[in-house]
Amino acid sequence: DVKVTQSSRYLVKRTGEKVFLECVQDMDHENMFWYRQDPGLGLRLIYFSYDVKMKEKGDIPEGYSVSREKKERFSLILESASTNQTSMYLCASSSTLIRGVEDQPQHFGDGTRLSIL
Amino acid sequence: DQQVKQNSPSLSVQEGRISILNCDYTNSMFDYFLWYKKYPAEGPTFLISISSIKDKNEDGRFTVFLNKSAKHLSLHIVPSQPGDSAVYFCAARAGNNRKLIWGLGTSLAVNP
Repeated sequence: DVKVTQSSRYLVKRTGEKVFLECVQDMDHENMFWYRQDPGLGLRLIYFSYDVKMKEKGDIPEGYSVSREKKERFSLILESASTNQTSMYLCASSSTLIRGVEDQPQHFGDGTRLSIL
Repeated sequence: DQQVKQNSPSLSVQEGRISILNCDYTNSMFDYFLWYKKYPAEGPTFLISISSIKDKNEDGRFTVFLNKSAKHLSLHIVPSQPGDSAVYFCAARAGNNRKLIWGLGTSLAVNP
């Protein structure tokens, strides 16, 4: 079974702090994703990475950055936390798409509930 | 503009009956569709998927139907169980795009 582990289930930080959210997957997946989930807004993609040291902006990258130094680890960084970044953060991973092979879904961690005070 | 729409925010069903969750999409380039289930305080769990070359895919109590001409898919759960109570998300992907486009979810309550 795929295991995606997020370092913290709950986190409380202060406005202006630099915040690191860590995610590790154990299935040698090429692709990793960071989402945030807010009531009524579904899942919104912040950033994703399809290889080590590669990253692409998602739909709401402002105020965030990411780091992928190793294949299994994908970090989300809030450069200067603000109250509007209070949310549930979800990390996911998936294997690279291969034509002719049944597609591979994204597998999620349990999420980090982040509160910015 | 929502490319994947789940028009019913919530659905309530009696235990043992069929649950039908609906999803509409606007992008004709979508060729792969997925359903996820999410319990509170947990990450989404992959449930079932369907490729655009098929019109039906079944896995136990869960069946997904795809109507490409109507740009509509549905998830059927038969029989529904109280443990199925969760938020269900529909998602879609186009070609080799690694990104998934998500609906806003439908909250299903299965009453004993």
